[in-house]
Amino acid sequence: GEDVEQSLFLSVREGDSSVINCTYTDSSSTYLYWYKQEPGAGLQLLTYIFSNMDMKQDQRLTVLLNKKDKHLSLRIADTQTGDSAIYFCAESIMGGGADGLTFGKGTHLIIQP
Amino acid sequence: DAGVTQSPTHLIKTRGQQVTLRCSPKSGHDTVSWYQQALGQGPQFIFQYYEEEERQRGNFPDRFSGHQFPNYSSELNVNALLLGDSALYLCASSSIAGSHVRTHTDTQYFGPGTRLTVL
Repeated sequence: GEDVEQSLFLSVREGDSSVINCTYTDSSSTYLYWYKQEPGAGLQLLTYIFSNMDMKQDQRLTVLLNKKDKHLSLRIADTQTGDSAIYFCAESIMGGGADGLTFGKGTHLIIQP
Repeated sequence: DAGVTQSPTHLIKTRGQQVTLRCSPKSGHDTVSWYQQALGQGPQFIFQYYEEEERQRGNFPDRFSGHQFPNYSSELNVNALLLGDSALYLCASSSIAGSHVRTHTDTQYFGPGTRLTVL
C-alpha cells in the first residue's frame, strides 16, 4: 500500500530558508501536495505539483520533485514566525486530482527568533 | 465564496453511541471526502462520495458509513463508538469534473473539522 514518510520536526531561525522533505511510495501518483495545519485548525492547501514537473515556484514556496527517488521537498524562503505550523505531504491514492489522499505524519516547523 | 463548512465543531459521546457529522462542500464542488486525524497523526482517508455514491474507501470498518445528498453535502455516521474513534474528523471537497482538465478545482479543500471525543 501507499506510504508517505516525513521527518517529525524541523527547527530554523527566522529569516532562513526551511526545507521540508518527504518520500512517497506510489510511483503512479499524478498529484503530490503540501498542506499546512496551524494549531486547532483544519488543513490549508499550500501548493501541489503534477508528476510531469520537476519544480514549481509560488512566491516564497518552491516544490522540488525527484520521481526517480520518489522524493518531494518544500522550501520556504525567508521563514517567518507565521510559518510555524505542521506541514503535511500527501499523494493521491488512485493518482487522480480528485481522489482520496494519503498523508504523512507531518513535520512540525519550529521558528527560532 | 463560502469554503467547506462542517458541523458541529465539537462533540462528546460515550462508548457504544452513534454519531453523525455533517459537511457542506465549497461552492462548485461535487465530491466530498472524509478523513480521521488522531492526535499527533496525519489525516487518514475514510471514504469519498460522488454522485451520491461511495466512490473510494480507505481501510476503515463498516461502522463508518456515509451519505451524500443531491446538493452535494455529506454526512459521516459512526456506529458503536469506541474510545479510539476520538479524533478530529475532516471533510474535504473537490471537483471530479475539474480533475479531468487539471484546473485548480481538482485539488481538495478542507473544512475546519469536527472534534469528536468518546468517553
